Amino acid sequence: QSVLTQPPSVSGAPGQRVTISCTGSNSNIGAGYDVRWYQQLPGTAPKLLIFGSTNRPSGVTDRFSGSKSGTSASLAITGLQAEDEADYYCQSYDTSLNDVGVFGGGTKLTVL
Amino acid sequence: EEQLVQSGAEVKKPGESLKISCEGSGYTFTNYWIAWVRQMPGKGLEWMGIIYPGDSDARYSPSFRGQVTMSADKSISTAYLQWTSLKASDTGIYYCARRKNGDLDFWGQGTLLTVSS
Repeated sequence: QSVLTQPPSVSGAPGQRVTISCTGSNSNIGAGYDVRWYQQLPGTAPKLLIFGSTNRPSGVTDRFSGSKSGTSASLAITGLQAEDEADYYCQSYDTSLNDVGVFGGGTKLTVL
Repeated sequence: EEQLVQSGAEVKKPGESLKISCEGSGYTFTNYWIAWVRQMPGKGLEWMGIIYPGDSDARYSPSFRGQVTMSADKSISTAYLQWTSLKASDTGIYYCARRKNGDLDFWGQGTLLTVSS
């Protein structure tokens, strides 16, 4: 049972917009910790997609965007493309964990 | 180029010991925490702990405390993850990643560990 809750799967057709939620609590996201999002393409290591809840690293397309409100965060992907099919993980910190991070359970995005 | 290069795949038997490595290059290795992350077959990412190579301060996730040991040798810019008695349930891919401002901004390629009798 992950501290951060994500839907196991989402899907969308090419060109559509999808969102992935990440629900935490008052001891993690709600405590003010930023949320990160990672993309894991099949057979590869994860890659940082969003940091500081809303910021994209250099080289990440602006089709990906992040938001945060209260004890939850979301990742939005617009203009869905086949290459976006991957697993997506949110990550934050928790007041109980002495600077060790926590991941959500992950969401499998399928492009129909 | 900043990168982390991990040691190769391992096949071990239950009860055996193991130490895997993660070598950093292209940046000042001692200035950033290294995180270790487990991914069991077909499952999600689990944060195991972090180590600061500058002084070897190590912090463990409650689920992994006592199960593994993190260490570092700053003279060769390498972090390690060690088991003294492997179990079948340790099978998985182990990633190291650099932590910068709380973000895991780049990752090693992963080390596949298979524990089977």
